[in-house]
Amino acid sequence: GQQVMQIPQYQHVQEGEDFTTYCNSSTTLSNIQWYKQRPGGHPVFLIQLVKSGEVKKQKRLTFQFGEAKKNSSLHITATQTTDVGTYFCAGQERGGKLIFGQGTELSVKP
Amino acid sequence: KAGVTQTPRYLIKTRGQQVTLSCSPISGHRSVSWYQQTPGQGLQFLFEYFSETQRNKGNFPGRFSGRQFSNSRSEMNVSTLELGDSALYLCASSLANSGNTIYFGEGSWLTVV
Repeated sequence: GQQVMQIPQYQHVQEGEDFTTYCNSSTTLSNIQWYKQRPGGHPVFLIQLVKSGEVKKQKRLTFQFGEAKKNSSLHITATQTTDVGTYFCAGQERGGKLIFGQGTELSVKP
Repeated sequence: KAGVTQTPRYLIKTRGQQVTLSCSPISGHRSVSWYQQTPGQGLQFLFEYFSETQRNKGNFPGRFSGRQFSNSRSEMNVSTLELGDSALYLCASSLANSGNTIYFGEGSWLTVV
């Protein structure tokens, strides 16, 4: 069945450093979504990517969808303590269920 | 606009018991999906309902079941609880079509002792 792998599992950075998490699907995706879960909270939608090679930016966050629509990445420039949390990618096949990656837990040291 | 509401927020059950969790989606949302979140397994898809019909199902045993009512509210039931069922159960709603953004509730924390 469809699998979505996400790395790394944990990332500890100093405030101001950059951070990247990578997502890889075993199958071609219709779309990929990214969510952020703060400690003790629930996942909150960040963005959805649909087109092959798509790149979207939200302030310091840059999201990419691979040309083959099987991989994606989230890059945060100059991390801040407010970026702390777990970042999940979620891939969806056409008409299929949304499958979440294992998540990358980001901690930021001030 | 109210968000996704899940009840109860916290509960403790004994092995062998059964539990029912409830989810009220965002007004106008017709699709409801359920996820189990544990530290070791991440977010695992349980099932998705749309217009009272199960549209997708994850790889969970038959002890896990769900249903959706005509007002889009959904319930999930776990029978014969096991210790390993202790988890955060998250409900998410979306408008209708596959590919829509899903919005999560705050979840129901289930502890099985």
